[in-house]
Amino acid sequence: SQQGEEDPQALSIQEGENATMNCSYKTSINNLQWYRQNSGRGLVHLILIRSNEREKHSGRLRVTLDTSKKSSSLLITASRAADTASYFCATDWIKAAGNKLTFGGGTRVLVKP
Amino acid sequence: KAGVTQTPRYLIKTRGQQVTLSCSPISGHRSVSWYQQTPGQGLQFLFEYFSETQRNKGNFPGRFSGRQFSNSRSEMNVSTLELGDSALYLCASSGGSTLSDEQYFGPGTRLTVT
Repeated sequence: SQQGEEDPQALSIQEGENATMNCSYKTSINNLQWYRQNSGRGLVHLILIRSNEREKHSGRLRVTLDTSKKSSSLLITASRAADTASYFCATDWIKAAGNKLTFGGGTRVLVKP
Repeated sequence: KAGVTQTPRYLIKTRGQQVTLSCSPISGHRSVSWYQQTPGQGLQFLFEYFSETQRNKGNFPGRFSGRQFSNSRSEMNVSTLELGDSALYLCASSGGSTLSDEQYFGPGTRLTVT
């Protein structure tokens, strides 16, 4: 399977703490994206990091990418109750039959007030 | 700009029936992708349409099909429904030319097959 794998599967933290989740993948990619999903709703795009980038920031989010280890991490700083959601990494990979966007299993984050 | 819309939001069908789901992308977006989300299998790519042509396809049986219209609106059809087809079906559109670009997701259609 080319699917990315998130670690941990679930995370419980107190408001104000940082949350870190990791994503590993198996093939060479063009980009890696992170998405958030609130309780069975649609996904919201958080950040896209290209294969030639190593780190990217967006507000309280920090994403790193290590292509040699085929892994990425998402850090949410100073978490808020509203950050409670599932977080997915998505990798694109190109094969002869066309490219796909493959999602990992997600990390469920619970931020306690 | 209005976001991606999907209709209906909820649907209950019986085994053996067929169902059609609809997705309206963000204005100007030409790429529309469909995903199935289940607790067991997670998010799985169904197919992608670009300018009315199916450009990419996931590993789903032929009972799953789709199409895209000239206004970029897309429909997904599932024939001969099975219990395992119960899922949240998500549609996403993109303003870019490949799946490498940011995807904008709709709220999903929750299909229950009984």
